[in-house]
Amino acid sequence: NAGVTQTPKFRVLKTGQSMTLLCAQDMNHEYMYWYRQDPGMGLRLIHYSVGEGTTAKGEVPDGYNVSRLKKQNFLLGLESAAPSQTSVYFCASSRLAGRYNEQFFGPGTRLTVL
Amino acid sequence: GQNIDQPTEMTATEGAIVQINCTYQTSGFNGLFWYQQHAGEAPTFLSYNVLDGLEEKGRFSSFLSRSKGYSYLLLKELQMKDSASYLCAVRDVGSTGTASKLTFGTGTRLQVTL
Repeated sequence: NAGVTQTPKFRVLKTGQSMTLLCAQDMNHEYMYWYRQDPGMGLRLIHYSVGEGTTAKGEVPDGYNVSRLKKQNFLLGLESAAPSQTSVYFCASSRLAGRYNEQFFGPGTRLTVL
Repeated sequence: GQNIDQPTEMTATEGAIVQINCTYQTSGFNGLFWYQQHAGEAPTFLSYNVLDGLEEKGRFSSFLSRSKGYSYLLLKELQMKDSASYLCAVRDVGSTGTASKLTFGTGTRLQVTL
């Protein structure tokens, strides 16, 4: 099992450019999440999904869109990148039910917006 | 909303015991997680508490007092590889589809020295 994978690992964008970050999980998890991690801020939830075809806003959703067309994939889009979106982005997934329902994280995408 | 506090940095000696505290003020509570995150890597699950008391898992233990809004992570027999950030996260009672939404503290960076 690969667990949670993210593509790409690194990316540099210019202000105004767009891009899509791809998250894939092979654990058959129902729930998927996108976070950003900034120094001194901790992990903050951007958007999440409770199942295929459904998404919801998290704590910091502005400037981002998401889609969950397939259960195993969760895409994060930046339509017009801004320097404030320079961050490390983590995707995570978790089960529908279980003892802990802990979240499993991908390796992260380091994004720089110039 | 959720407010989570943890010390920013701690230093401890190899072989010693260290306690990392976490206090929280939440509008809802459905469990507290501790994650470990090595520099440049993804967070990985360490422990989970939902009832008051101590949960032990090898060298790591975690304690919860719901009435005090307080948890700690105890690391025994410290090793150099324990140098990492330790993230405290509180799970919400659930909203849309009972997703396992987490609010993270900013993390405690632990440095283990010889």
